[in-house]
Amino acid sequence: EVQLVESGGGLVQPGGSLRLSCAGSGFTVSSNYMSWVRQAPGKGLEWVSVIYSGGTTYYADSVKGRFTISRDTSKNTLSLQMNSLTTEDTALYYCVRSGADWGQGTLVTVSS
Amino acid sequence: EIVLTQSPATLSLSPGERATLSCRASQSVSSSLAWYRQKPGQAPRFLIYDASSRATGIPARFSGSGSGTDFTLTISSLEPEDFAVYYCQQRSTWPWTFGQGTKVEI
Repeated sequence: EVQLVESGGGLVQPGGSLRLSCAGSGFTVSSNYMSWVRQAPGKGLEWVSVIYSGGTTYYADSVKGRFTISRDTSKNTLSLQMNSLTTEDTALYYCVRSGADWGQGTLVTVSS
Repeated sequence: EIVLTQSPATLSLSPGERATLSCRASQSVSSSLAWYRQKPGQAPRFLIYDASSRATGIPARFSGSGSGTDFTLTISSLEPEDFAVYYCQQRSTWPWTFGQGTKVEI
């Protein structure tokens, strides 16, 4: 059974950094395209970043230059390093496998 | 960026009725369109990919159609768990984008 468990969310001040992790089980992270999708409170969905099995990455314009997606094959995990956070980044962040399987999300709150 | 516009914003129906949801793209996405259902407090669930293919485990009451810029999700007979928000999403061109959602309510 495929499982995705996110962690690392929390409260951070504007300008701060946070690193999200997603532990995968029942599949190999590096063999799939993996994404981060976020949802601001009461709002719709926004695709943040994707990493393909070959290593190619893409970012939404809203996070380009501030966020970095990566994976650790030895731990079968996906990560999202988030720097220079603003209040606009407040959201529930989901880890997604191949667009099909979603974790339950980890909440990031950017506030002073 | 490709903009997806979903209509209607809200659909008021009863269990057993047929639901027809629309998603229009600002430019062609070929058949690279997916549909998701999101119930309150839950992660989205993958329903349809490539415009008309049902994802694993999705019941036959869900069907998708369309190509290019106009797409439809049809739920033939609404079950209680289908009252939720539905999102379309294109994977034709990065950045991948979602529609704003259609809420199906009782």
